[in-house]
Amino acid sequence: DVKVTQSSRYLVKRTGEKVFLECVQDMDHENMFWYRQDPGLGLRLIYFSYDVKMKEKGDIPEGYSVSREKKERFSLILESASTNQTSMYLCASSFPVYGGTQYFGPGTRLTVL
Amino acid sequence: GDSVTQMEGPVTLSEEAFLTINCTYTATGYPSLFWYVQYPGEGLQLLLKATKADDKGSNKGFEATYRKETTSFHLEKGSVQVSDSAVYFCAEGSTLGRLYFGRGTQLTVWP
Repeated sequence: DVKVTQSSRYLVKRTGEKVFLECVQDMDHENMFWYRQDPGLGLRLIYFSYDVKMKEKGDIPEGYSVSREKKERFSLILESASTNQTSMYLCASSFPVYGGTQYFGPGTRLTVL
Repeated sequence: GDSVTQMEGPVTLSEEAFLTINCTYTATGYPSLFWYVQYPGEGLQLLLKATKADDKGSNKGFEATYRKETTSFHLEKGSVQVSDSAVYFCAEGSTLGRLYFGRGTQLTVWP
């Protein structure tokens, strides 16, 4: 089975801190994605990557950056966390094919105080 | 750009009731279409999908048919169970693997 793991299930940080969220997949997928999920807004794409060292902005990239140094790992970085970044963060991966299924990690619930 | 509109929730049903959650998409051509489910405290998992017009995806008693003429992919189940309580997301796929999600529909099933 495909496995996507995220480094933490729950995280509490303070305003202004630099925050790293890690995601690892074990299926050799080229594509990796970071979403945030908020009540009433569904899933919104922050950044995605089609290959190592490649990244593309999604719909809400402001305040975030990403890093993909190895194929299996995709990191989301909050350079200076703010309270409006309190959210559920979901990572996903897939093959870059038509009809390709995205496989999701369990999510990280981030609270910024 | 591409977008997906799905029925707003919450939806509350009694056990064994019939379920329909509507979903329409805007992409031109023939996007792949998905339903994902999110159980409390978990990430999303694929429920079913269809990749061409008139295809029917099915899993765990849920079904959805890809209707090109109405640009729809409605989710149905003939008899829901308490264990079906979850949030359901409709999504359309682009050629490069990106998905566009609807806002989700919360389903609660009472015994």
